[in-house]
Amino acid sequence: GENVEQHPSTLSVQEGDSAVIKCTYSDSASNYFPWYKQELGKRPQLIIDIRSNVGEKKDQRIAVTLNKTAKHFSLHITETQPEDSAVYFCAATPGGGFKTIFGAGTRLFVKA
Amino acid sequence: GAVVSQHPSWVICKSGTSVKIECRSLDFQATTMFWYRQFPKQSLMLMATSNEGSKATYEQGVEKDKFLINHASLTLSTLTVTSAHPEDSSFYICSARFSGKADTQYFGPGTRLTVL
Repeated sequence: GENVEQHPSTLSVQEGDSAVIKCTYSDSASNYFPWYKQELGKRPQLIIDIRSNVGEKKDQRIAVTLNKTAKHFSLHITETQPEDSAVYFCAATPGGGFKTIFGAGTRLFVKA
Repeated sequence: GAVVSQHPSWVICKSGTSVKIECRSLDFQATTMFWYRQFPKQSLMLMATSNEGSKATYEQGVEKDKFLINHASLTLSTLTVTSAHPEDSSFYICSARFSGKADTQYFGPGTRLTVL
């Protein structure tokens, strides 16, 4: 089955700097890759997603890249702000399947 | 759009009692609902997948007799933790997806269960 690995587990950046979180997946049939942001005690919120027929997608300060050959995808947050501090989860959904497999999460701290 | 609610938001119960958690899709019909368990500072662990009108599919290691799932309608799924014990204390989160965006999951706010 699918396995998703996420790095780093913790990331601390200065406000205004960029943050990059990387994930790898094992199932080459996976075709949908969402990223979720979860604040303490709250629900995960979808912040951006990408499908396997696209290499890059951007939404304001957030971008995601996908390398299907290497089976890895990354989240890029530019001009980080303190409110970006949260846990970020990457995930992968195998093609034709129902389940979404989540990475272990990255705890992002943005220092003012 | 795509709002999922969960009730209760938190519950404290005595060991040996059963607890029911409801998950509702408020503005769409959910083709599939998922139940996750999340321990502090850990990832989301899928417990089971449920489709309306059929039996839930449980992940390996999840006891179906312990965690009863009922998906009575396209907008409601319930998780009952039977004979709860302190080790069942956790954050339980449901999610739902609908046919319009088949891949995307929308999460409920979660239920924090504490078993004394």
